[in-house]
Amino acid sequence: EADIYQTPRYLVIGTGKKITLECSQTMGHDKMYWYQQDPGMELHLIHYSYGVNSTEKGDLSSESTVSRIRTEHFPLTLESARPSHTSQYLCASGYRGLGEKLFFGSGTQLSVL
Amino acid sequence: GESVGLHLPTLSVQEGDNSIINCAYSNSASDYFIWYKQESGKGPQFIIDIRSNMDKRQGQRVTVLLNKTVKHLSLQIAATQPGDSAVYFCAEKNSGAGSYQLTFGKGTKLSVIP
Repeated sequence: EADIYQTPRYLVIGTGKKITLECSQTMGHDKMYWYQQDPGMELHLIHYSYGVNSTEKGDLSSESTVSRIRTEHFPLTLESARPSHTSQYLCASGYRGLGEKLFFGSGTQLSVL
Repeated sequence: GESVGLHLPTLSVQEGDNSIINCAYSNSASDYFIWYKQESGKGPQFIIDIRSNMDKRQGQRVTVLLNKTVKHLSLQIAATQPGDSAVYFCAEKNSGAGSYQLTFGKGTKLSVIP
């Protein structure tokens, strides 16, 4: 069982709201990722970080931002949510010595009305 | 463009039988492949990986086969159990391009019939 936690599990909000999705891991992993996944579809990388104060954008164009002030914490923020942001957001962490073996959280299912 | 995809979106298997999940990739430069299992309501879970210098790798009840000639990857699950019911994703990476990102395929849903 991986020690990576995402909150909230479900979130329903109105258009234009600012939201932050939380992700924390207690494994001391240096690498952390945010993926977006629509039902039954592949995962798309939206942000990643290889350590404190290091963040990069992934392949999927995103209007979200991330921060990595502490090793264990990697929050994702949407300044102004839109219905097109409705999706599942998965956080993952990994360690350089483990290659691409990532540990995923259970996800946040976001619905923007 | 480059893509990683699966031949079959759904697969139904009788409990106790072997399962084979296929994956095709188009980037011949990909040198690392990995399989994840995603159960309903959960995040993906690592199953097994393989580097391009190998053509077969075995784990506990799972075997991954890599055919670079036809750019095909498969996951074999022996003696499939109800707990194996999930969506299975393959992913690839081209380490030589300096990429640190995995490209995921669309997934195959495996249903195990008791």
